[in-house]
Amino acid sequence: NAGVTQTPKFRVLKTGQSMTLLCAQDMNHEYMYWYRQDPGMGLRLIHYSVGEGTTAKGEVPDGYNVSRLKKQNFLLGLESAAPSQTSVYFCASSYGTRQGTVYGYTFGSGTRLTVV
Amino acid sequence: AQSVTQLDSHVSVSEGTPVLLRCNYSSSYSPSLFWYVQHPNKGLQLLLKYTSAATLVKGINGFEAEFKKSETSFHLTKPSAHMSDAAEYFCVVSSISGGYNKLIFGAGTRLAVHP
Repeated sequence: NAGVTQTPKFRVLKTGQSMTLLCAQDMNHEYMYWYRQDPGMGLRLIHYSVGEGTTAKGEVPDGYNVSRLKKQNFLLGLESAAPSQTSVYFCASSYGTRQGTVYGYTFGSGTRLTVV
Repeated sequence: AQSVTQLDSHVSVSEGTPVLLRCNYSSSYSPSLFWYVQHPNKGLQLLLKYTSAATLVKGINGFEAEFKKSETSFHLTKPSAHMSDAAEYFCVVSSISGGYNKLIFGAGTRLAVHP
């Protein structure tokens, strides 16, 4: 089925460990996003990409890095995990902006990360 | 700057009764607005979208929302709740900023449906 696929679905890390979350989409979307979801705070944008080879910071980028080497993939890295990064992470993708048209996002099913 | 306020963090209704989830937005120009739904341990699914066409927007699963510019509101309604509607709902405003399509999420409203 077409959509956004996130791996892994669950992960437990120790403080200071590193890991990479993978997001893949097969809809030929130009834009991709990483969000974190915490109780009572909705979704907050970590980083985003408007095309292959480009990335930019969102609202809460500290402690994360991203890469978009291929159009269909968007990787989120944690170099040194901290307990404050315990969260559910969602990847999303969308078409780019065309003549002011706003497109909705397609979301993955999330990665539940616990840092102990 | 754009922002979204969901007025209720929790709403509880009985099956078969109407649903009303309230959302107010702030925007310096005519916004695009969305409602997303998230079922437990699932990703977010688009319910409906307003993009300056008809002010009453119909979505999936019998939901609809009305854009009221004078009240800066975009409330989500459904005439008759089903048990399967129990989920968390997010009101979202979109802006085109810095050349990209940025979504700003409300804090969410958790809908409980009782038999």
